[in-house]
Amino acid sequence: EAGVTQFPSHSVIEKGQTVTLRCDPISGHDNLYWYRRVMGKEIKFLLHFVKESKQDESGMPNNRFLAERTGGTYSTLKVQPAELEDSGVYFCASSRGLINEQFFGPGTRLTVL
Amino acid sequence: TQLLEQSPQFLSIQEGENLTVYCNSSSVFSSLQWYRQEPGEGPVLLVTVVTGGEVKKLKRLTFQFGDARKDSSLHITAAQPGDTGLYLCAGSHAGGTSYGKLTFGQGTILTVHP
Repeated sequence: EAGVTQFPSHSVIEKGQTVTLRCDPISGHDNLYWYRRVMGKEIKFLLHFVKESKQDESGMPNNRFLAERTGGTYSTLKVQPAELEDSGVYFCASSRGLINEQFFGPGTRLTVL
Repeated sequence: TQLLEQSPQFLSIQEGENLTVYCNSSSVFSSLQWYRQEPGEGPVLLVTVVTGGEVKKLKRLTFQFGDARKDSSLHITAAQPGDTGLYLCAGSHAGGTSYGKLTFGQGTILTVHP
């Protein structure tokens, strides 16, 4: 069974540009989560999808961040326009149910210059 | 707001020594997980504890959940170089729209020298 995959693994962009991160969860996992770790800080929750619906988006920093999960399969996280403080590692995780183990992807390292 | 305080942040020990990592909070969690993360990879679940006072063992690793479900510890006996890595604790709350959301500690970077 393939694990959670994320693309790209690294992205370097300039302030003001747009970047789109993609996450492919494990097949059959209805729950998809986005987390972020900025340098020196703990991993923080961004949002949670159940199938294509946003269950909890309380961790989204501001309206420059837009997450979608059309069709309840893969998800994208768009940052537009990117700011310096958006730099960090963005993790995606998926689980079959709410009480099941969350499987994490390898992360996307975003650097905003 | 840091809801889960993990300590120590860094731990450098010799092979064969014992160590304990602590995870403390003022909040009650319905469950607490311990993860290990390798460079370039995402966190991998080691164990989940759900009952106050619960103790789980995974080979040389012993995990304990506090009676009040506000704190947890990870104890490694006779550490080996292969134990080197980043250890993370994470808590979750049951119920409501936040069900499933994980709150992480800052992590402990463990280095075990041969």
